[in-house]
Formats: sequence, structure tokens, C-alpha cells
Amino acid sequence: AQSVTQLGSHVSVSEGALVLLRCNYSSSVPPYLFWYVQYPNQGLQLLLKYTSAATLVKGINGFEAEFKKSETSFHLTKPSAHMSDAAEYFCASQAGGYQKVTFGTGTKLQVIP
Amino acid sequence: DGGITQSPKYLFRKEGQNVTLSCEQNLNHDAMYWYRQDPGQGLRLIYYSQIVNDFQKGDIAEGYSVSREKKESFPLTVTSAQKNPTAFYLCASSPPQGLRLGYTFGSGTRLTVV
Repeated sequence: AQSVTQLGSHVSVSEGALVLLRCNYSSSVPPYLFWYVQYPNQGLQLLLKYTSAATLVKGINGFEAEFKKSETSFHLTKPSAHMSDAAEYFCASQAGGYQKVTFGTGTKLQVIP
Repeated sequence: DGGITQSPKYLFRKEGQNVTLSCEQNLNHDAMYWYRQDPGQGLRLIYYSQIVNDFQKGDIAEGYSVSREKKESFPLTVTSAQKNPTAFYLCASSPPQGLRLGYTFGSGTRLTVV
């Protein structure tokens, strides 16, 4: 069975500081990995995805993530936080042809002016 | 523009009532999904359907029912058997190329028991 662990349910950063949101996955086969963003009372929007091509994946809004097989990690980063980045972020995994995606429990990002 | 439309945005249910949440997509996606979101628990899969007239239970299907009579539509009924239905419900779809392209989500329905 696959699982996704997001470390830290709440993360606070200052505006202009580095954003780092952590995600570790557990899968017996190489997975597809995703990061989604959710603003209050809205659906989720795909930020970026890893599908076994380049290990460093660039997404929208300046975010990127690096797939590290040895660490089973897929951490999300952004060099400089903006106020508009305040939202909840979900890491997700899909593996083995299984027609479901497993989501982490989410990390709420607060950006302090 | 193509997308997923969920309605209503807010829904109130009295004890013992069944209510139906609508999900319509014009993306020509084959697969559709229903997720329940509760604070601190992430998203949990209720039901999914890969083709018309076929659907499978997810991880928390008890107290819910679905139908898939048309490719574009995947309504979810929250029955009186669901003891704790207050939550945010999200509908999603994925394209024929499979899940590697990720989901497209609707904007959600917030259901509250009164």
C-alpha cells in the first residue's frame, strides 16, 4: 500500500523567505508524485507533477520540487515567499497502475509580512 | 473553457435526510472521483468511476451512493446512514491518458448537518 507523509501541518515563513514544504512517500514501485494547492473554500489546483522524467520539476507560481528516490522524498520549494502563497498544500502519490491517488494530510502555509 | 462544476456550493441537511451533490464535467474525461475533506485529515476517497455505468467503492463509501449514467455526470448521494456527513466534498476527474497528468478538481460543496 502506498502512503504519503507531510511533515508539519502548519508552516510560517516571512515574506521573501524560502518556502520548504516536506513530503515523503512510501511505495513499492516508482510512483507518480504531485503537489496541489488549495485556497480557502476552493478546490485543489495542480502545482506540479513528477512522472519519472527529470527529477527536478518546475511548476506554476515559481514552485519546484525534487524527487529523491534514496530519501523517498518530494519536497516543495520556492525561493521567495509572496503573500499570495498563503494556502494549504497537499502532496499526493499514485503508483502501480492503481487507479487512485493517495493524499497527504496537508500543510497550511502562512506568510508573514 | 472546460472544467468541473459542482453544485450547490453550500448545502444544509436535516437529520435523516438524503441529499445529492452534483458534479458535471465538460473535459471529456473518462474517470471521475469523489473525495471528502475534513480538517487535518487530507482527502479521503469515497467512490470512483472509470467508465459509464461502472463505479467502485473507495476507502469511506459507507453511507454514500453514486451513479454514472453519463460520461459528464457523477452525482453523489449522502444518505441518512452517513452519521457524520458534515464536510467539504470535492469531485475530480482525470483524462484518458491516466493519472500521471493529475486530477482536475471542482470547487467543492460544503455540506452541513443542521
